[in-house]
Amino acid sequence: DQQVKQNSPSLSVQEGRISILNCDYTNSMFDYFLWYKKYPAEGPTFLISISSIKDKNEDGRFTVFLNKSAKHLSLHIVPSQPGDSAVYFCAAHPRGSARQLTFGSGTQLTVLP
Amino acid sequence: NAGVTQTPKFQVLKTGQSMTLQCAQDMNHEYMSWYRQDPGMGLRLIHYSVGAGITDQGEVPNGYNVSRSTTEDFPLRLLSAAPSQTSVYFCASSYTSGGTDTQYFGPGTRLTVL
Repeated sequence: DQQVKQNSPSLSVQEGRISILNCDYTNSMFDYFLWYKKYPAEGPTFLISISSIKDKNEDGRFTVFLNKSAKHLSLHIVPSQPGDSAVYFCAAHPRGSARQLTFGSGTQLTVLP
Repeated sequence: NAGVTQTPKFQVLKTGQSMTLQCAQDMNHEYMSWYRQDPGMGLRLIHYSVGAGITDQGEVPNGYNVSRSTTEDFPLRLLSAAPSQTSVYFCASSYTSGGTDTQYFGPGTRLTVL
């Protein structure tokens, strides 16, 4: 039973346009949500996070939105760049269990020049 | 800083063989963990350690052993390799800030068990 779901295995967008990656979760105990980016032959790297007390967090071109009632979060990348092409993982953990991350299966983003 | 390093990068084993995947970090993080990544399943936690001498099981611990004798090193041992352990293995270390952890991952070890 996947508690964190990324239903789109892949996404292609044109350079300069917005990329929207989606993530759904089922565990209502999840309190923090994180996005990691992974390039081929490298380990995942932390991108951005959001606490459940917020509904939006921005960091440069990256914004994460959280809709707790729908148990849904999304990562927006504006504008998208070819260097953003990577696999994006959504992850979550309950309050007080920051080390017990549950990951989604990932979405391969391809930004076309 | 080298960050988190893992060796080897690639390994092929025969069923029943044993081996140790090495992991080291130079960031003085107390927490370290091992994940495996399988196609379509994301990363799953195998074992973790909250400090030297302290380890615990994650979501998928069967067939793996760990120990933590120093802050820097956290090796993962496969006792008797099985084809189901074919996967990419990531080691991570982390620190806690603002109620959540920032995990730093190594480059991974791609293991094939024949």
